[in-house]
Amino acid sequence: DTAVSQTPKYLVTQMGNDKSIKCEQNLGHDTMYWYKQDSKKFLKIMFSYNNKELIINETVPNRFSPKSPDKAHLNLHINSLELGDSAVYFCASSSPGNSGANVLTFGAGSRLTVL
Amino acid sequence: DAKTTQPTSMDCAEGRAANLPCNHSTISGNEYVYWYRQIHSQGPQYIIHGLKNNETNEMASLIITEDRKSSTLILPHATLRDTAVYYCIVRVLSGGGADGLTFGKGTHLIIQP
Repeated sequence: DTAVSQTPKYLVTQMGNDKSIKCEQNLGHDTMYWYKQDSKKFLKIMFSYNNKELIINETVPNRFSPKSPDKAHLNLHINSLELGDSAVYFCASSSPGNSGANVLTFGAGSRLTVL
Repeated sequence: DAKTTQPTSMDCAEGRAANLPCNHSTISGNEYVYWYRQIHSQGPQYIIHGLKNNETNEMASLIITEDRKSSTLILPHATLRDTAVYYCIVRVLSGGGADGLTFGKGTHLIIQP
């Protein structure tokens, strides 16, 4: 009954490869996000999707592309992986309402290691 | 968004109340104060938020000063499982879509047995 689930939890790959991280939420939320947490533990927002529409792109390289097949899924595709892409990637979701759209539910994270 | 300032780290004895301060002196009238925490190797977790009144839920209490320039998150009876990084975030209440949240460095709270 996990609210926001990400797969895989761990991913080790070589430089130059293309990989994807999947995210699914069963909360009925309207907006989904991807965050990156680097080795210094800073959490930075990468993307958010609302009703299949990208509403933020925080100047991430275009090697990163979010894909949302439906409201419950937001997958992260990364092309031509680089060493600096090594990080933990968190998916999150939220829904507007009385609490507003800033109450985010996060997944457990996907640790990407690029060798 | 208004910038927040938090101590880098704090210690608290198990069973005691943990009081985590946050300064947000440039907060504007339509900005809320949100608190999240991140336990090691887990995703961030929402705790509580408020505008100007004090708020309480099953996890914590949020005390916001009258001028709204600072706030305190209170964990009434801290346990070892409360050891985490606590983030104070100031953000407008988004109506329709969402712009997401910007996380700072937070406070590393260590609960001592």
